[in-house]
Amino acid sequence: ELKVEQNPLFLSMQEGKNYTIYCNYSTTSDRLYWYRQDPGKSLESLFVLLSNGAVKQEGRLMASLDTKARLSTLHITAAVHDLSATYFCAVDMKMNRDDKIIFGKGTRLHILP
Amino acid sequence: GAGVSQSPRYKVAKRGQDVALRCDPISGHVSLFWYQQALGQGPEFLTYFQNEAQLDKSGLPSDRFFAERPEGSVSTLKIQRTQQEDSAVYLCASSLGISRGPYEQYFGPGTRLTVT
Repeated sequence: ELKVEQNPLFLSMQEGKNYTIYCNYSTTSDRLYWYRQDPGKSLESLFVLLSNGAVKQEGRLMASLDTKARLSTLHITAAVHDLSATYFCAVDMKMNRDDKIIFGKGTRLHILP
Repeated sequence: GAGVSQSPRYKVAKRGQDVALRCDPISGHVSLFWYQQALGQGPEFLTYFQNEAQLDKSGLPSDRFFAERPEGSVSTLKIQRTQQEDSAVYLCASSLGISRGPYEQYFGPGTRLTVT
């Protein structure tokens, strides 16, 4: 069974600091997604990582994927209050001809002004 | 263009009632997914359609849950004889491609179901 574990689950940090959220998964997969969810809102796609060593950056967020270690990281540089949200990683699990996306429990990020 | 829309946005049902939740995917999107998100948790997969075909319903928690997409566009998730444990946000997502493409899923705003 595919498990996706994120840590930390809760993170409170000061503006201007750097931090990393980790996403570990338990079986082979070559596609990983990062989503953002604001309270009471739906999920917004941030990154799709498709191969080992993939790195993508958007503004203050950078995501990377190491398929051998079954690990993805979401790095936040010089955090600003607007980045406060819950961040989910999700891993693609191929079943027969179809794909199922398994989500982690999310990391609730609170950035203090 | 318009994103994924869901209706109703909020639904309160008495235990034992049947409910129907609607999802309008992005026009032209082949794949449609339903997820259940409990408070403080990540979305959990319920079922997946490719056009009108329901290819995976392994995540449906019981036979009280039923989903359809008869014409390959709008989908309805029906829950019969609702129970309190069904209270959650039900998210619908659609994506352009099928299977192994790098296709992002675009999520709707969700329907928050509260069973009293």
